[in-house]
Amino acid sequence: GAGVSQSPSNKVTEKGKDVELRCDPISGHTALYWYRQSLGQGLEFLIYFQGNSAPDKSGLPSDRFSAERTGGSVSTLTIQRTQQEDSAVYLCASSLVRGSQPQHFGDGTRLSIL
Amino acid sequence: QQQVKQSPQSLIVQKGGISIINCAYENTAFDYFPWYQQFPGKGPALLIAIRPDVSEKKEGRFTISFNKSAKQFSLHIMDSQPGDSATYFCAATPSRGGSEKLVFGKGTKLTVNP
Repeated sequence: GAGVSQSPSNKVTEKGKDVELRCDPISGHTALYWYRQSLGQGLEFLIYFQGNSAPDKSGLPSDRFSAERTGGSVSTLTIQRTQQEDSAVYLCASSLVRGSQPQHFGDGTRLSIL
Repeated sequence: QQQVKQSPQSLIVQKGGISIINCAYENTAFDYFPWYQQFPGKGPALLIAIRPDVSEKKEGRFTISFNKSAKQFSLHIMDSQPGDSATYFCAATPSRGGSEKLVFGKGTKLTVNP
């Protein structure tokens, strides 16, 4: 596709459930990022993938959060045992290669935990 | 520790006026400074970016001013239009080495009155 695609666009789930969020980066982009945007806050880095290198997981807030990137393309962010504080917009971005900017963002998944 | 401080939180200007948003950073390793524009329900979109080898960059009505010694940079929107009403985020990253993750300010909600 022409841009970064994220699905679902909205997700409502009950506290304690697991959720999976999907990101399809721009074709040919090898760098992929996940960010979280909480209400009234800036964007907070979560995790970074670059090719076959080990991901930078330094931004993941707890061990309930994990992400994978299969085949160097699509990425899935998984949140286990969701809590109300996980409610936020989860944004994915990609860039052409490591060290290149800009990062291009998708429209995000708005996650609401009841 | 907030590494990029952005002000003001909100800004109201009249059509045709100048909008000015300021950011300050702490990490001297930062060497790429983008500004993103975000409309409700959409992901951030790159507006303009600067590297510290220049003190100013202009693209149409948008100008970044950069002061390396003060570790500050600002966005100026000339002839502001109602269509410019959005949330603006400054960001910074060390673009060489590491994950090049963006560190964002908390955003400025700009309202341009007709």
